[in-house]
Amino acid sequence: GDSVTQMEGPVTLSEEAFLTINCTYTATGYPSLFWYVQYPGEGLQLLLKATKADDKGSNKGFEATYRKETTSFHLEKGSVQVSDSAVYFCALKLNNQGGKLIFGQGTELSVKP
Amino acid sequence: SQTIHQWPATLVQPVGSPLSLECTVEGTSNPNLYWYRQAAGRGLQLLFYSVGIGQISSEVPQNLSASRPQDRQFILSSKKLLLSDSGFYLCAWSSWGGAYNEQFFGPGTRLTVL
Repeated sequence: GDSVTQMEGPVTLSEEAFLTINCTYTATGYPSLFWYVQYPGEGLQLLLKATKADDKGSNKGFEATYRKETTSFHLEKGSVQVSDSAVYFCALKLNNQGGKLIFGQGTELSVKP
Repeated sequence: SQTIHQWPATLVQPVGSPLSLECTVEGTSNPNLYWYRQAAGRGLQLLFYSVGIGQISSEVPQNLSASRPQDRQFILSSKKLLLSDSGFYLCAWSSWGGAYNEQFFGPGTRLTVL
């Protein structure tokens, strides 16, 4: 079935370090791919998205490229800040059945000053 | 602009008691609506989604039910809560139709069943 797998957390980095959070997916057809972020005590916010192969989504210094050949959508940021500490969710959206999202298990990121 | 509301923000309920969580959306018509649960230390699980009034699709068999009595109102219910129902419940909406429409999430309800 359709699924999303993320690297396990927690991930702890020092400020200004490089971040990669791996995400791979299994899907029938051609899903859209998303990264959502959940700050402590809050709901989810869309961070970035990509709707077709080779698209690059970017926002707030984060980037992810839709790689169909490796079925991946890894999240990267060149220099993290303490304010980036949050839980990050990779998700795919099926283009049928009401457009429901399938989420990965989430990766907690903690950035230390 | 569109906004999504959930209430209550937090809830502590005894085992066996009923549950009603409400979600409303403003500023849009005929949205797709979704209920997700995030259990402690785990990812998000889609519970229900709705593409219209009275139309509910259940994703997992469970102790919960959902209803959509109005276009922009989505209710999550239970007749008798279980300990395993504890978690963070998120409501979301997306525009009707459109394969690439993002989902917008509410602030969530944190439910603790004792």
